[in-house]
Amino acid sequence: KQEVTQIPAALSVPEGENLVLNCSFTDSAIYNLQWFRQDPGKGLTSLLLIQSSQREQTSGRLNASLDKSSGRSTLYIAASQPGDSATYLCAVPTSKLVFGAGTILRVKS
Amino acid sequence: EPEVTQTPSHQVTQMGQEVILRCVPISNHLYFYWYRQILGQKVEFLVSFYNNEISEKSEIFDDQFSVERPDGSNFTLKIRSTKLEDSAMYFCASSEGRLAGEQETQYFGPGTRLLVL
Repeated sequence: KQEVTQIPAALSVPEGENLVLNCSFTDSAIYNLQWFRQDPGKGLTSLLLIQSSQREQTSGRLNASLDKSSGRSTLYIAASQPGDSATYLCAVPTSKLVFGAGTILRVKS
Repeated sequence: EPEVTQTPSHQVTQMGQEVILRCVPISNHLYFYWYRQILGQKVEFLVSFYNNEISEKSEIFDDQFSVERPDGSNFTLKIRSTKLEDSAMYFCASSEGRLAGEQETQYFGPGTRLLVL
């Protein structure tokens, strides 16, 4: 059974700092991994989908990496801004998406 | 850009009442999903639907829940007799359905926040 874990559970950083969010999964036989952003009380915004054949995927200040063999993905946020404050979720598909609990990020101005 | 829409955005109901949550998936998508997120907890899978039938359902999706595609555009989740513990955010998602479900991106709607009193 696929299980997804995210570390840290919460992170508070000053504006401008680069940061890394971690996601690990127990079954490495995945097709892809998706990172989402969730603002308080709101829906899920897809940030990046990284295919199993890729090692990295970039979108603006965001960079996601995937290491299937070790069951890990990282989301790197460069030059963080207060507007990046949100919960970041990773999810891997089986026949449905299995989500981690998320990392609550606060970027202080 | 096409998107998944959900109505209502918020619903308050009394325990024991029936509720219907509505979703309009992206128009050429064939796979549909419902997920829920109880406040402070993980997003959990409820059910997937393909070719007018349930593909998979979780333990949460008991006899109180049902899904339907009543026409060519809507996808609904019905809770027959709501309980307090059904209070959650309910997300609809869809995917193209060209590949096996695990290979495709799922696109999520904004959610319906259900509060059962």
